[in-house]
Amino acid sequence: DQQVKQNSPSLSVQEGRISILNCDYTNSMFDYFLWYKKYPAEGPTFLISISSIKDKNEDGRFTVFLNKSAKHLSLHIVPSQPGDSAVYFCAATQGRGGADGLTFGKGTHLIIQP
Amino acid sequence: EAGVAQSPRYKIIEKRQSVAFWCNPISGHATLYWYQQILGQGPKLLIQFQNNGVVDDSQLPKDRFSAERLKGVDSTLKIQPAKLEDSAVYLCASSSYRGPYEQYFGPGTRLTVT
Repeated sequence: DQQVKQNSPSLSVQEGRISILNCDYTNSMFDYFLWYKKYPAEGPTFLISISSIKDKNEDGRFTVFLNKSAKHLSLHIVPSQPGDSAVYFCAATQGRGGADGLTFGKGTHLIIQP
Repeated sequence: EAGVAQSPRYKIIEKRQSVAFWCNPISGHATLYWYQQILGQGPKLLIQFQNNGVVDDSQLPKDRFSAERLKGVDSTLKIQPAKLEDSAVYLCASSSYRGPYEQYFGPGTRLTVT
């Protein structure tokens, strides 16, 4: 039973354009959501997070949107750069703003085309 | 600030053998996590420590996996005996109890069981 779903295994976007990565969750107890980026042979790197009391959080080129009623979040990257090519994982947790273990999606491989 | 350290980076063993992985978290981080990432999947939490106490080990296959965190710093994850399906990357992560609660991951240990 997958509680966090990333339905697009891969996404190809032209350099300079917007990348939109989507994530759905089923557990209504989740109250903190995170995005991680992973390069080959490295561990996941934290990108951005959002609490369930907010519907948007922005950090530079990265913005995360949360729609609680739809149990859906998305990560927007504007503008997309070649270094953004990586696997992106959506993760969720409940309680204490993320101090508990994370439940991850399967990831989306983002490819930025020059 | 030094990141999360893990060793070894790669390990190949035969089924029914035993193996151990080591993790050194970021200095001052009280919470330590072990995740298992099978190829094509997102990381799955195995066990979470708060200082040297276990917070959550509900997904740890306790008949063959064990973990300890002596003195609330370094941690060791052991598999005995290993099965073919244990082939995966084992990721260690740490976070600060006082916040922010984002988890910081090490590079992982890639285990191949033949």
